[in-house]
Formats: sequence, structure tokens, C-alpha cells
Amino acid sequence: GQQVMQIPQYQHVQEGEDFTTYCNSSTTLSNIQWYKQRPGGHPVFLIQLVKSGEVKKQKRLTFQFGEAKKNSSLHITATQTTDVGTYFCAGSGSNYKLTFGKGTLLTVNP
Amino acid sequence: EAGVVQSPRYKIIEKKQPVAFWCNPISGHNTLYWYRQNLGQGPELLIRYENEEAVDDSQLPKDRFSAERLKGVDSTLKIQPAELGDSAVYLCASRLSLAFRDPAPYEQYFGPGTRLTVT
Repeated sequence: GQQVMQIPQYQHVQEGEDFTTYCNSSTTLSNIQWYKQRPGGHPVFLIQLVKSGEVKKQKRLTFQFGEAKKNSSLHITATQTTDVGTYFCAGSGSNYKLTFGKGTLLTVNP
Repeated sequence: EAGVVQSPRYKIIEKKQPVAFWCNPISGHNTLYWYRQNLGQGPELLIRYENEEAVDDSQLPKDRFSAERLKGVDSTLKIQPAELGDSAVYLCASRLSLAFRDPAPYEQYFGPGTRLTVT
């Protein structure tokens, strides 16, 4: 079945440093979504990417979808303490079933 | 607008006991999902409903898990009997489908979840 892998599993940064998490799928995806889950909270939708090579920005967050639609990345510029949480990518293939990665836990030292 | 409501928020039971979780999706959302999230993992889909119809229950352990969505609004997920390995957070999510039985994974809205501990 479809597998979605994320690296790194954990990332600790100093406030102001950049952060990137990577997502790789074993199969070509129809689209990919990104969610953020704060400690003790529930996943909150951030964005969906559909097109090959697509790049979307939300303030300090930049999302990319690979040309082959098998990988994606989330980059945060100048992290803040409010960015703390686990970032999940979730990909769907031809059956549209959403498969979540294991997530990257980001901690930020003020 | 109220979000997805789940209850209870926490549940502690002994193994072999039954347990039920309830979810009320966002008003007007015809698609409802139940996920299980183990510690340190991403959510795993258990079942997806389109209105009152379960259209994808391939990952639901049917020997002990059951779900229903009467009238296509709120939903109940049941485990009977519970096992130690069922300890997890059970998340409900909903979304608005733009077409009949549209499987496309648009934005999903998650509830706060029910944290189940089986002792």
C-alpha cells in the first residue's frame, strides 16, 4: 500500500533559525496536504498542493510539491515559539485515501 | 461556527470492556472520518462516511470495531471488547463534499479527539 515517509522525526532549533521537513511517497500522489498539530491538540489543516512543481507560501511558511509528485517539503523561515508542534504531510493517490506521515516534531528554543 | 465535537475527551477502561465514542461533525459536512492516532504517529483512517453510507471501512478491525452514522449527521465508534493495544487517540474529522460521493481529499476539520487508555 501507499506509504508516506517524513524526515526528520524531530527537529530542535533556536528561535529565528529556519526549519524544513521533507515528505516522500512510495507512489505518485494526486495531491498532498500539510497539517500542524500542537502538543495536546488535534491536526489543523495548513494547505493542499495539487500541481506538479507547485509552490505556495503562507507568511513564513513555504510549501513545495515535487515535479514527480512523489515528494513535498515545508520550510519555515525565522522560526518563532508559536511554530512549535508536529507537522504532518498527508498524501492521497488515485483512490483519494489520505495517508499521513509520522510527522516532524518541531521544538523552538526562545 | 462550531467545530467538530467529540465526547468523551478521555476514557479509561479495563481490557475486555466495551467503549463508545461520539462525534458531531460541522453542520452541513456530509463526509465524516474516524481516525486512530497512536503516540508519535500520524492519524490512520479507520472509516469514511458519505452521509450515512460507509464508503471505506477497509482498515476498520471489524472483529471488535463497529461504527454507525444514523441519519448522516453524528456518528458513533464502538470497540467491544477493548484490548490493551487499542490505547490511542480516536479522532473524528469532517469535510464538505463538493459532489455526490466525491472522494477528493479536500480540507478536513478534526475534532479534539478522545484519548482512550485500556488497562
